[in-house]
Amino acid sequence: DGGITQSPKYLFRKEGQNVTLSCEQNLNHDAMYWYRQDPGQGLRLIYYSQIVNDFQKGDIAEGYSVSREKKESFPLTVTSAQKNPTAFYLCASRHQDRDTQYFGPGTRLTVL
Amino acid sequence: AQSVSQHNHHVILSEAASLELGCNYSYGGTVNLFWYVQYPGQHLQLLLKYFSGDPLVKGIKGFEAEFIKSKFSFNLRKPSVQWSDTAEYFCAVTRSGSARQLTFGSGTQLTVLP
Repeated sequence: DGGITQSPKYLFRKEGQNVTLSCEQNLNHDAMYWYRQDPGQGLRLIYYSQIVNDFQKGDIAEGYSVSREKKESFPLTVTSAQKNPTAFYLCASRHQDRDTQYFGPGTRLTVL
Repeated sequence: AQSVSQHNHHVILSEAASLELGCNYSYGGTVNLFWYVQYPGQHLQLLLKYFSGDPLVKGIKGFEAEFIKSKFSFNLRKPSVQWSDTAEYFCAVTRSGSARQLTFGSGTQLTVLP
């Protein structure tokens, strides 16, 4: 069953804690992306990676970090420096020669 | 900076009504245009896309969109909506030659009343 998986579906975190969100894809896609979705604001790009061991900041990278050690995996860490981390986080991937991005089911993070 | 505007934040229609959701973008160069849909509790999925060619594109579930370059618009249409079309709809744009980053509009919540 091919696709993009994100885990966990729901995540609760206390203020001051770092938390890592998982994103895995078995589509053999080269590029991967992390977005944050807030009500009334659409999706905003946090980080993206076009190849293994390389990634770039998106529009709202402050307080987040990523790694891309494997083609299939692009985990996102929400650090304690992120001022307003409660949101819905979406991961996406894209084949190198295509423009269409495909999305995972998302992780809803709530900071208590 | 590139931006995408969706002016309708919440649209409420009765079944069988016609739908048109507006989308305007600010970038003047070559763009690729997308409409994504997010049904309640489901993945964000691609509804349709425009890269080049015929400016009227057809997507899944009877949706279509028209690219009007002179108006920087890519409006989504459906002649007759169904209750199952209730969802949030996002317009998005990438610039050709960039890292194919998507810039999204703020979304339109469509509610179809049975």
